[in-house]
Amino acid sequence: DGGITQSPKYLFRKEGQNVTLSCEQNLNHDAMYWYRQDPGQGLRLIYYSQIVNDFQKGDIAEGYSVSREKKESFPLTVTSAQKNPTAFYLCASRDSGGLTRDTQYFGPGTRLTVL
Amino acid sequence: KNEVEQSPQNLTAQEGEFITINCSYSVGISALHWLQQHPGGGIVSLFMLSSGKKKHGRLIATINIQEKHSSLHITASHPRDSAVYICAVRQGGSEKLVFGKGTKLTVNP
Repeated sequence: DGGITQSPKYLFRKEGQNVTLSCEQNLNHDAMYWYRQDPGQGLRLIYYSQIVNDFQKGDIAEGYSVSREKKESFPLTVTSAQKNPTAFYLCASRDSGGLTRDTQYFGPGTRLTVL
Repeated sequence: KNEVEQSPQNLTAQEGEFITINCSYSVGISALHWLQQHPGGGIVSLFMLSSGKKKHGRLIATINIQEKHSSLHITASHPRDSAVYICAVRQGGSEKLVFGKGTKLTVNP
């Protein structure tokens, strides 16, 4: 079945440690996104990539890094520079053609807790 | 002020009731999305609108571009409709979506 997978579902990290969140899609979508969700707030864009080997900062990129070496994969690293990393992280991809053009497909999310 | 405002923030209904969730935005847009987030956190895209009205099963979404307003209606609501409903807009020419804070709907049996 086609879709987006994120792993792990729950992640615990000690302060000062970097951690990488996985996002994989087999939908053949060019565009991929990382969002952060905090209680009582709308989703906020961290980074996005419209094509392999290219990505742009979103609204809250500080303390995060990404790579896009393969079309299927868009991992997010939460670095120790991120001041408040505890949040729910969602990955998404977007269909750029056909009847479902512009629809974003979301992964199940990773809940990161910093201890 | 958030660029995308949703109302109400929380909504409780009895099974079978007609539900309306509202979304107002302050910028010019190329498209508006309605999303559903289940209690486990997963998000599903319900509708994408640039004009008029769309219907899928018991769900209806409308948009008024001149008034910068959209509504999501649920007819004959059911407890399985309980979720957070999120409105998001894409500004013309932008790659980014701007999200509302969501409306938490609880439908009681």
